[in-house]
Amino acid sequence: DSGVTQTPKHLITATGQRVTLRCSPRSGDLSVYWYQQSLDQGLQFLIQYYNGEERAKGNILERFSAQQFPDLHSELNLSSLELGDSALYFCASSGHLWGGSGYEQFFGPGTRLTVL
Amino acid sequence: AQSVTQPDIHITVSEGASLELRCNYSYGATPYLFWYVQSPGQGLQLLLKYFSGDTLVQGIKGFEAEFKRSQSSFNLRKPSVHWSDAAEYFCAVEGADDKIIFGKGTRLHILP
Repeated sequence: DSGVTQTPKHLITATGQRVTLRCSPRSGDLSVYWYQQSLDQGLQFLIQYYNGEERAKGNILERFSAQQFPDLHSELNLSSLELGDSALYFCASSGHLWGGSGYEQFFGPGTRLTVL
Repeated sequence: AQSVTQPDIHITVSEGASLELRCNYSYGATPYLFWYVQSPGQGLQLLLKYFSGDTLVQGIKGFEAEFKRSQSSFNLRKPSVHWSDAAEYFCAVEGADDKIIFGKGTRLHILP
């Protein structure tokens, strides 16, 4: 158990819909990262938040957004869903500080999103 | 831009045999390097990491990796694999912009 929790575990929805994925980081970790894992794209970094502020952005679509709340949990919002958005979405947390640090990221179990 | 290449998509070894998973990275400076393992239906777990110093890094579950700057490689090894090692293995690099880039992964199959 990494200490990172993600809800829900599975999500099935229809194209055009909007969903919210939730992540609670390990106690004390200020950084939260979101990743998308699909068969064709592999594991892709989406976005990172540090203590409530956006820290780094990866291959995140404009239809997707995220935020980190004062209690440090994070939500990833996916809207206007397409079939190709079906994937496993991971959240990770770390005790990361500003600047490259190589801190270990602890991964949650993921949310499997299926868009029909 | 930094990148990671894992040239082997699938590898099959017999239980008890030695293992080497290849990883090549592209990065201008000395990177932070990681190996993660993902068991079916699970999230990723860190096996080991290289920041600096000794180029041979020991990890959990009997794994080790060697950083070779001249070859831009960070190959993962294990002297004797167990059936429970069957999983997908990801090499990753973190650059100065704090982004971690993962390789496509290598799926390890174990023959009894």
